[in-house]
Amino acid sequence: SQKIEQNSEALNIQEGKTATLTCNYTNYSPAYLQWYRQDPGRGPVFLLLIRENEKEKRKERLKVTFDTTLKQSLFHITASQPADSATYLCASYSGGYQKVTFGIGTKLQVIP
Amino acid sequence: DVKVTQSSRYLVKRTGEKVFLECVQDMDHENMFWYRQDPGLGLRLIYFSYDVKMKEKGDIPEGYSVSREKKERFSLILESASTNQTSMYLCASTTDRGGGYTFGSGTRLTVV
Repeated sequence: SQKIEQNSEALNIQEGKTATLTCNYTNYSPAYLQWYRQDPGRGPVFLLLIRENEKEKRKERLKVTFDTTLKQSLFHITASQPADSATYLCASYSGGYQKVTFGIGTKLQVIP
Repeated sequence: DVKVTQSSRYLVKRTGEKVFLECVQDMDHENMFWYRQDPGLGLRLIYFSYDVKMKEKGDIPEGYSVSREKKERFSLILESASTNQTSMYLCASTTDRGGGYTFGSGTRLTVV
């Protein structure tokens, strides 16, 4: 079955820098990769989705890439702000009746 | 604003009680899901439903059941609550199985 690996260690970066989070998947290439933001004690909020045939997707300060050779997706937040501090979850969907598989998330702390 | 509403934010129940967690969505989504989230384990799928009256077991269905009598409502039932079911429970829905999920705010259940 598919497994999603995210760096479980927290990522600390300085305000204004670009934060880059990594999501690796094992086995087969997913049809879609999704990224969510989760604040403490709240449900995840969907941010972006990228399809297997897309290399890059952007939304405002967010950028997601999908590299099927490396079996990896990168999630970038440019000009990061303290308000971007949260846990970011990666999820994979393989198509049809397959379920979405979530990673455990990476906690991002943006330091003023 | 579209939403998924979970009936309670916090619940405390006694061991052996039957517990009902309610979830309602106002987006006319066919697909609904119940997850539990525990530190270090991430989101784990308990049950899901792709249509009214339809239900499928997820990865950890033991000790749980579900009901979906109407499209907008998906209920999770703990038949006889146990302390190892203390967790954050999250309901989600989507119109496209691979598309982004809309999550509720979660119910933090404590079984004593």
